[in-house]
Amino acid sequence: DAMVIQNPRYQVTQFGKPVTLSCSQTLNHNVMYWYQQKSSQAPKLLFHYYDKDFNNEADTPDNFQSRRPNTSFCFLDIRSPGLGDTAMYLCATSRGYGGTYNEQFFGPGTRLTVL
Amino acid sequence: AQRVTQPEKLLSVFKGAPVELKCNYSYSGSPELFWYVQYSRQRLQLLLRHISRESIKGFTADLNKGETSFHLKKPFAQEEDSAMYYCALRDGATNKLIFGTGTLLAVQP
Repeated sequence: DAMVIQNPRYQVTQFGKPVTLSCSQTLNHNVMYWYQQKSSQAPKLLFHYYDKDFNNEADTPDNFQSRRPNTSFCFLDIRSPGLGDTAMYLCATSRGYGGTYNEQFFGPGTRLTVL
Repeated sequence: AQRVTQPEKLLSVFKGAPVELKCNYSYSGSPELFWYVQYSRQRLQLLLRHISRESIKGFTADLNKGETSFHLKKPFAQEEDSAMYYCALRDGATNKLIFGTGTLLAVQP
């Protein structure tokens, strides 16, 4: 089945230790998104790629970076995780922006805990 | 500012009862609204979008621009409808989805 895959599903890291979360897709979609969802809060968009074009949200901390080496893969790098970065991280894809192309398909998420 | 409000964190109903999950939005353009659902241990997935004007799994949602609402309704709840429901607004300028905080629907037998 075509889908969005996230690895790992659970990640525990230490305060200040860099961590990378992975997302891959078999949908061949142009757009890939990263969301952060803290406990009992709404998913919040961190950034997204349209093909190779990176679009950062204005309030995303500099601590969060992303890479998209090819269509299928997108990575979220947290350079120096703080305790406040403990959250579920959701990856999503869409074919494009307009009309029915903007339906977003979500991965299962990576639950990150910073100790 | 663009905002989506879901006032209820939890809605508990009995099987066969009507369901209405509330969603209000704030947006300065022509809104595009969605309902996403997350069943237990499953990923977030699109339930319906207002432009489709369709019924999915018995659920409907009508955009009311006067009341800035997009409430999700189902006349007779089923146990399998138990899930987390998120209302979302698409910002046409940036294509970002702005989510509400979600409502957990619990359908009791």
